[in-house]
Amino acid sequence: GQNIDQPTEMTATEGAIVQINCTYQTSGFNGLFWYQQHAGEAPTFLSYNVLDGLEEKGRFSSFLSRSKGYSYLLLKELQMKDSASYLCAKRGAGGYNKLIFGAGTRLAVHP
Amino acid sequence: EPEVTQTPSHQVTQMGQEVILRCVPISNHLYFYWYRQILGQKVEFLVSFYNNEISEKSEIFDDQFSVERPDGSNFTLKIRSTKLEDSAMYFCASSRPQNNEQFFGPGTRLTVL
Repeated sequence: GQNIDQPTEMTATEGAIVQINCTYQTSGFNGLFWYQQHAGEAPTFLSYNVLDGLEEKGRFSSFLSRSKGYSYLLLKELQMKDSASYLCAKRGAGGYNKLIFGAGTRLAVHP
Repeated sequence: EPEVTQTPSHQVTQMGQEVILRCVPISNHLYFYWYRQILGQKVEFLVSFYNNEISEKSEIFDDQFSVERPDGSNFTLKIRSTKLEDSAMYFCASSRPQNNEQFFGPGTRLTVL
């Protein structure tokens, strides 16, 4: 199958750091994306990993381990506006880029 | 900054009616996609389109669905005979080269009564 697993909900405090984990089936893998989605809005791109290691982009970083089928999104210096769903999506190999999304992790940031 | 646009933002229709959802992808993008998201559920791939033909489609994309690029800018999704379970948010997305990020439009909320 194409199961992509991530926690359903997380809570964190403003100014803190939070790590959102994602596991996926390793077969047919050609990249791992993280998107942010506020309620009622479209997903917006955060990060992309295709090789192992950490990609840093300001307050957001994403890590990938291809052998373990594991990724995480790290959010630093949390702000209230970071309250949103975070979607992990795997891109399949050999095709035309369809993204297979996880169900998303709903993050609530509290003061 | 260029963006994907979609119209209408909300479409209400009766079961059995045809609907056409419209998208204008980013102008220099070559790959186009439709996804849907039923309320409270995950984003699901429907179809990808490249070089004026469907390149991949999911099991959801049955004979009731079709896509078209009628001119150089629009990309449409048609549902021939809508069912209650077609009620969802439909997102159009586009990307430039094959291996780049997909940019999503704001979505069309389809409500089938």
